[in-house]
Amino acid sequence: TQLLEQSPQFLSIQEGENLTVYCNSSSVFSSLQWYRQEPGEGPVLLVTVVTGGEVKKLKRLTFQFGDARKDSSLHITAAQPGDTGLYLCAGDDQGAQKLVFGQGTRLTINP
Amino acid sequence: AAGVIQSPRHLIKEKRETATLKCYPIPRHDTVYWYQQGPGQDPQFLISFYEKMQSDKGSIPDRFSAQQFSDYHSELNMSSLELGDSALYFCASSLGAASEQFFGPGTRLTVL
Repeated sequence: TQLLEQSPQFLSIQEGENLTVYCNSSSVFSSLQWYRQEPGEGPVLLVTVVTGGEVKKLKRLTFQFGDARKDSSLHITAAQPGDTGLYLCAGDDQGAQKLVFGQGTRLTINP
Repeated sequence: AAGVIQSPRHLIKEKRETATLKCYPIPRHDTVYWYQQGPGQDPQFLISFYEKMQSDKGSIPDRFSAQQFSDYHSELNMSSLELGDSALYFCASSLGAASEQFFGPGTRLTVL
C-alpha cells in the first residue's frame, strides 16, 4: 500500500495569514485528491490533480501536483475563519480504485 | 445536486449484535466504496463494487460483508459487533471505477 505523509498535522494561524499544507509520498500516483472534512461529516472533494506540474485554483486555494506526481501542496491565501477544518489528501493506491489518505491537517484560523 | 445518501446517520448497538448500513449513490454512479474512520484517524478503505460486482477489497473483517444491488445501492452488513467497530462509516460513489469519489455524510456506529 502506498503511503501519503501530510504536514503539518496541526496548524493554527491568524486570520489573513497565508499557509501551505504538504502531501508527500515516495510512490507515484495517477491522481491526487484534496478533501475537506468537518467533524462528524463526510469528506468533501475540493479538487483532483492529474497531470504532473498541474496547478489548480479554487478562489483563495491553490493546489499543485508535483512534476513527478509523488507530492502535492495546498496553499491558502489570506486565510479566513471559515477555512477552519480537516484537510485530507488522498491518492489512488497503485492505480486501484481505493483511495489511500494522508493523516490530515487540522487547520484552525483564529479571528 | 443530489449527493450520496447514507442511512442511518447514527446507530447504537450492543456487542455481538448485527448492523446493516445502507448507501445510495449519486444517480448514474455505478461504483460504490466503503470506508471506516476511527476517532482522529483518516478513512480506511474496506471494500468497493463496480456494476454490482466486488471490485476491490481492503482491510474488511471477515465478520463484515457487503453487496451492491441492481439499483446500485449498497449495504454493509456487520455481524458479531465488537467495541472496536465503533467508528464513522462512509460510503462514496463514482461514475466509473477510476473516477473522482464523492462521499456521503457517514453513519456513526457506536458499539456498547
